[in-house]
Amino acid sequence: NAGVTQTPKFRILKIGQSMTLQCTQDMNHNYMYWYRQDPGMGLKLIYYSVGAGITDKGEVPNGYNVSRSTTEDFPLRLELAAPSQTSVYFCASRDWVSNEKLFFGSGTQLSVL
Amino acid sequence: DAKTTQPNSMESNEEEPVHLPCNHSTISGTDYIHWYRQLPSQGPEYVIHGLTSNVNNRMASLAIAEDRKSSTLILHRATLRDAAVYYCILRDEISNTGKLIFGQGTTLQVKP
Repeated sequence: NAGVTQTPKFRILKIGQSMTLQCTQDMNHNYMYWYRQDPGMGLKLIYYSVGAGITDKGEVPNGYNVSRSTTEDFPLRLELAAPSQTSVYFCASRDWVSNEKLFFGSGTQLSVL
Repeated sequence: DAKTTQPNSMESNEEEPVHLPCNHSTISGTDYIHWYRQLPSQGPEYVIHGLTSNVNNRMASLAIAEDRKSSTLILHRATLRDAAVYYCILRDEISNTGKLIFGQGTTLQVKP
């Protein structure tokens, strides 16, 4: 099993550009998450999904969009990138069963200049 | 959502025990206490979880106060590889809404 795979690993965007961060998991997990981590800070929840077709906002959803058309994929879309979105983005997944642990991807480092 | 409060940073010497505290005074009866850690340049990884009783696994021990308003993650013999950010989070496993909020965490430095 590959686990949670994020692409790309690194990306530099210009202000106003758009991009999609890809996240896919091969564990058939229902729950998927997007977090961002600013330098020296903790994780902030952007969006999460409890299953295909269902998404919900987290703590910091502004400037982002998500979709969940399949169980495996949970892409994060940045429209009109801003310097404040410079961060490391982590995708995670877990099974719906109670107390199942979260599995994280290795992260995408994004710089908006 | 019930919140957790952790110290920003702690230091330890190698091969000594480390006690990482977490306060969660607004914890509800159905909240489980979960701990994750994040090694440098990596995504977080699961450490341990518990509800009321103290828990042990190969990585650590979790001591939960009788009133459940606080808990402590115990690393019995810190190694240099234990230097990481440690997160204490609460999960309502009964409603299982899916929403998982991480706080700032505690940055643990281990000195040789």
